[in-house]
Amino acid sequence: QSVLTQPPSVSGAPGQRVTISCTESSSNVGATYGVHWYQQLPGTAPKLLIYDNSNRPSGVPDRFSGSKSGTSASLAITGLQPEDEADYYCQSYDSSLSGSVFGGGTKLTVL
Amino acid sequence: QVQLVESGGGVVQPGRSLRLSCAAYGFTFSNYGMHWVRQAPGKGLEWVAIIWHDGNNKYYTDSVKGRFIISRDNSKNTLSLQMNSLRAEDTAVYYCARGLYQGVVTSYDYWGQGTLVTVSS
Repeated sequence: QSVLTQPPSVSGAPGQRVTISCTESSSNVGATYGVHWYQQLPGTAPKLLIYDNSNRPSGVPDRFSGSKSGTSASLAITGLQPEDEADYYCQSYDSSLSGSVFGGGTKLTVL
Repeated sequence: QVQLVESGGGVVQPGRSLRLSCAAYGFTFSNYGMHWVRQAPGKGLEWVAIIWHDGNNKYYTDSVKGRFIISRDNSKNTLSLQMNSLRAEDTAVYYCARGLYQGVVTSYDYWGQGTLVTVSS
């Protein structure tokens, strides 16, 4: 079974750069599926930030970027702003489940 | 613009049933696979179910198999989730979400605002 592991929390000062990791522990070694990232502001629905490892939907600022190498993916946020304070989730597909899996989420605090 | 609006949540006793609906606006509903994703209070996101654009294929997470049924009415642009034999652990905000791609290997590009289901005696 695939598990996506994220750090519970990260923090940074305004203007700084932070990264959030998403590591896959999976029986699907060798299978390659895209990793996607979501931002969830307090009390709101998740919003797609990055899809297929590194693609930004229209309207997402280029301060947000994604990458993937092997079984690890990362979300980077540059020029940190107070409004970036939110929960961030990675998501991918697990063929053993025939469904999606989400990471446990990372709470970003802007100091 | 694309909009997804859930309804039907509420408080229900364990073992009872509840039916959620999701009304879709602003896009050709019949072209997209649709999903339900839930979030227990204070917890992370959990994918629940998918239905293909034409309704011909459906998959569920293991914990709801045999209890939940996902369906859609493309003539009414509506997605549904029939939840039977509800358990306390089904308590969550339920979101409907649109799949960016057809099938299960996809991200979710639009989400509804969510509807809260509380299973409690």
